[in-house]
Amino acid sequence: DAKTTQPNSMESNEEEPVHLPCNHSTISGTDYIHWYRQLPSQGPEYVIHGLTSNVNNRMASLAIAEDRKSSTLILHRATLRDAAVYYCILRGGAGGTSYGKLTFGQGTILTVHP
Amino acid sequence: GAVVSQHPSRVICKSGTSVKIECRSLDFQATTMFWYRQFPKQSLMLMATSNEGSKATYEQGVEKDKFLINHASLTLSTLTVTSAHPEDSSFYICSASRGAFYGYTFGSGTRLTVV
Repeated sequence: DAKTTQPNSMESNEEEPVHLPCNHSTISGTDYIHWYRQLPSQGPEYVIHGLTSNVNNRMASLAIAEDRKSSTLILHRATLRDAAVYYCILRGGAGGTSYGKLTFGQGTILTVHP
Repeated sequence: GAVVSQHPSRVICKSGTSVKIECRSLDFQATTMFWYRQFPKQSLMLMATSNEGSKATYEQGVEKDKFLINHASLTLSTLTVTSAHPEDSSFYICSASRGAFYGYTFGSGTRLTVV
């Protein structure tokens, strides 16, 4: 399975933007880049996903490098409710043995300070 | 849209008994659902892929006879932990997707404690 590398932890202040990096140098051409976040004792929550182009939704933006070997999740204005573990995951592309599967790494623990 | 309901949220059972966990997609049909297990302070580990109308596919190291998965309809998958032991105590989570171009929706998880 293609793997991702994320910093163990990051900190931010409330109301400031947060850029969460992710490296995925072994990504294949059909792998989608997914981001999820998880609060303690809850199931993960979908944040955003993309393939090649940058993506925006009401929660965040996803910036994907041109070579697709890295991506950055951008929270435009962090709030205390954004404190969570953020997972960057490659969703197996069509035709592969891991098609459709999400393999979770350790993620980045985001702390937001008031 | 895309809501996944998981039940129960918390269960305590005696060692040697079996426990069933349900995962329902409420507003979409899911031909495939996924089951994960998460130990304290660890990441989610994929256990198996549940396929509607066919056998589940288990990840390496996961005992299929211990973790029985049934996906009898397009909106329901169940995970039964058979002959549970204290080491099976964990947080079990299911997920599903509306399709290839969508993200995955996760259930709220089931905290299983085997005593």
